[in-house]
Amino acid sequence: GDSVTQMEGPVTLSEEAFLTINCTYTATGYPSLFWYVQYPGEGLQLLLKATKADDKGSNKGFEATYRKETTSFHLEKGSVQVSDSAVYFCALSDFGTSYGKLTFGQGTILTVHP
Amino acid sequence: DTAVSQTPKYLVTQMGNDKSIKCEQNLGHDTMYWYKQDSKKFLKIMFSYNNKELIINETVPNRFSPKSPDKAHLNLHINSLELGDSAVYFCASSLQGGQGVEKLFFGSGTQLSVL
Repeated sequence: GDSVTQMEGPVTLSEEAFLTINCTYTATGYPSLFWYVQYPGEGLQLLLKATKADDKGSNKGFEATYRKETTSFHLEKGSVQVSDSAVYFCALSDFGTSYGKLTFGQGTILTVHP
Repeated sequence: DTAVSQTPKYLVTQMGNDKSIKCEQNLGHDTMYWYKQDSKKFLKIMFSYNNKELIINETVPNRFSPKSPDKAHLNLHINSLELGDSAVYFCASSLQGGQGVEKLFFGSGTQLSVL
């Protein structure tokens, strides 16, 4: 079945540091890939997405590129802020095999210190 | 206006009790979901409804029974609560369901604690 694996957390960075959160996936069809973010005490919200190979999703300084050859969708940001502290989830939706179902990775907790 | 609202935000109860969590969305979406998030932040889908019809039921004990009176509401009723049911339950909705999920809108969660 479909699965998503994220790098182990938690991740702790200083403000303005470079961020990478690794994400790899397994899917039988042609998935769309997503990054969701969960701020403390809130529900998840979509951060960015990519629907086909080589697409780059970007939002709020974050970006991720859909790499079919390595089955990866790593999240990056050049300079993190304290306000980026949250839990980040990589997810996929496989049009061919799942009906309206997002499969999530285990989440990576990010803490950014001033 | 809150797009996806769920109540209550916190629910503390004893083992063996029956409880319900309500969810409403005002986005006009046809598909709604329940997800469970455990203490390690792992998220897993429980149910999905499309236009009041059950589409996904992911090996959830039958003590959990979703009810969708209309496409704007999806409630979750839990019978005979167990300690292992303690988690945060998220309701979500999306415009697209059958052809894959484009964007999920989540409620702010219900923290269920079973004592």
